[in-house]
Amino acid sequence: AQKITQTQPGMFVQEKEAVTLDCTYDTSDPSYGLFWYKQPSSGEMIFLIYQGSYDQQNATEGRYSLNFQKARKSANLVISASQLGDSAMYFCAMREGISNFGNEKLTFGTGTRLTIIP
Amino acid sequence: NAGVTQTPKFRVLKTGQSMTLLCAQDMNHEYMYWYRQDPGMGLRLIHYSVGEGTTAKGEVPDGYNVSRLKKQNFLLGLESAAPSQTSVYFCASSGGIFSNQPQHFGDGTRLSIL
Repeated sequence: AQKITQTQPGMFVQEKEAVTLDCTYDTSDPSYGLFWYKQPSSGEMIFLIYQGSYDQQNATEGRYSLNFQKARKSANLVISASQLGDSAMYFCAMREGISNFGNEKLTFGTGTRLTIIP
Repeated sequence: NAGVTQTPKFRVLKTGQSMTLLCAQDMNHEYMYWYRQDPGMGLRLIHYSVGEGTTAKGEVPDGYNVSRLKKQNFLLGLESAAPSQTSVYFCASSGGIFSNQPQHFGDGTRLSIL
């Protein structure tokens, strides 16, 4: 079974609108963390936001926020007021066993290609 | 601030040739990783290291070897390149102290095997 599932291969969104990128995950570990990365056409991987399984509040970083629904095992990325520069590939990733020192492997989803339309 | 530097950025090999990809980080990170990225498959972990002198297999280790002789460097080797190893390779590092610390990535190496 896929540990990280991103069901939207591609999305087109009008500039200035909000966009939600879906991510569901599968783990039996109660201690895990979820990361979102952005990969623009230039190819580098840019860290956006993190959510820990024990965090009481949804993570926010500027225009990025995470809609974390633990019971549904979903961690959707919300980008508010989208900009042309948001056009990129977005990856959701999970680290399991975060309470165990030394376990830092990430499992990535297949990504969502977001295109912002002017 | 260099962060994670990968060398080379592009390379074309013939089937059966060997090569080494170099990853260097200047953040004093304990953990280092090698991933490959193929279309439609996201990033998959090849090998990783939890400290100088240590290496471990990831999800897709076959056909690759790694070495971590110095804390700042992590080398990925292809002994006999195959067309199936055509991919974009990313190196990453992380500090290993706090759970919310992200992995920091290099800019990638685009490798084509003919």
